[in-house]
Amino acid sequence: DGGITQSPKYLFRKEGQNVTLSCEQNLNHDAMYWYRQDPGQGLRLIYYSQIVNDFQKGDIAEGYSVSREKKESFPLTVTSAQKNPTAFYLCASSSILGEQYFGPGTRLTVT
Amino acid sequence: AQSVSQHNHHVILSEAASLELGCNYSYGGTVNLFWYVQYPGQHLQLLLKYFSGDPLVKGIKGFEAEFIKSKFSFNLRKPSVQWSDTAEYFCAVNAKEYGNKLVFGAGTILRVKS
Repeated sequence: DGGITQSPKYLFRKEGQNVTLSCEQNLNHDAMYWYRQDPGQGLRLIYYSQIVNDFQKGDIAEGYSVSREKKESFPLTVTSAQKNPTAFYLCASSSILGEQYFGPGTRLTVT
Repeated sequence: AQSVSQHNHHVILSEAASLELGCNYSYGGTVNLFWYVQYPGQHLQLLLKYFSGDPLVKGIKGFEAEFIKSKFSFNLRKPSVQWSDTAEYFCAVNAKEYGNKLVFGAGTILRVKS
């Protein structure tokens, strides 16, 4: 069953703690992406990676970090430096043609 | 920088009404265009896409969109909506110079009354 998995579905953290969101794909896609979705703002790109061991900042990278050690995996760390971390986080992957496939998302709540 | 505008944030229609959701983008070069849909509690999924060729593209569930290059628009249409079309719809654009990065509009929440 091909697709993108994100875990967990819901995540709760205290302010000041770093938290890592998981994203795995078995679509054999080279490119992977992390977005943040907030009501009324659409999806905003946090980080993206077009190949293993390489990644670039998106539009709102501050307070986030990523790694891409394997083609299948692109974990996102929300650090304590992110001022407004409570949001819905979506991971996606794509082939060369640019059509992106999305995971089910992780809803992060920081209190 | 690219940007994408969706004209209406909330749309409410009765079943069988016709739907048109506006999408305009700001980029003068070659673009790929997409409409994604997010049904309540479900993954974001692709409705339709335009890469080249016929500017009128047909997608899943009876949706279609028309690319009008001169107007920088890619409006989504459906002749007769159903209650099950209730969802949030996102227009997205990428340009070759920006690789596979997608720029999304703010989304339009469609509610269809039965």
